[in-house]
Amino acid sequence: QKEVEQDPGPLSVPEGAIVSLNCTYSNSAFQYFMWYRQYSRKGPELLMYTYSSGNKEDGRFTAQVDKSSKYISLFIRDSQPSDSATYLCAMGGLTGGGNKLTFGTGTQLKVEL
Amino acid sequence: NAGVMQNPRHLVRRRGQEARLRCSPMKGHSHVYWYRQLPEEGLKFMVYLQKENIIDESGMPKERFSAEFPKEGPSILRIQQVVRGDSAAYFCASSTSGINEKLFFGSGTQLSVL
Repeated sequence: QKEVEQDPGPLSVPEGAIVSLNCTYSNSAFQYFMWYRQYSRKGPELLMYTYSSGNKEDGRFTAQVDKSSKYISLFIRDSQPSDSATYLCAMGGLTGGGNKLTFGTGTQLKVEL
Repeated sequence: NAGVMQNPRHLVRRRGQEARLRCSPMKGHSHVYWYRQLPEEGLKFMVYLQKENIIDESGMPKERFSAEFPKEGPSILRIQQVVRGDSAAYFCASSTSGINEKLFFGSGTQLSVL
């Protein structure tokens, strides 16, 4: 079993739709959670960083963490074609790990006109 | 305010040659992480370094791979005697000192082994 599971997609939605992206994890020792966006042939770009259970909102993006269920989500409202990318969940905070992150495999999103 | 700089962006090597990948962290960042991304796979941790120290190399293959982060200059990921299976995108990330800090990634080096 992988430490972090993420549906690879691809996920295709019409412009303006609400997108829900999810990850589950097995190690309850993870302390913080991130979402990165990666365009083709580019480096991952940090979108959201959350430390505790609950919701965090930033513009059209909302990150949700449920530590009891070991489940995290990213919601994108009013999706745009420019949101088409691969979204990677990542988690860290293991003792002695510094800022080392464990990533999901990524979900490929396409927002169509 | 330059971000994490990696070079070269693309590197082509023949089997048996050496590959050197360079990474300059963001200004003020003293921690560097190397990750490898294979097609259809997520980013896999390789090594974590601070200046002149390897902190965690648990993700590094036991042979042919090495990394350094000297007192002066960029961090270097070195792959000796490359094989086709080494073809991948290699990403470097940096953070400020401490834990629970955000990681910022460079644009990566795409290594192709012929």
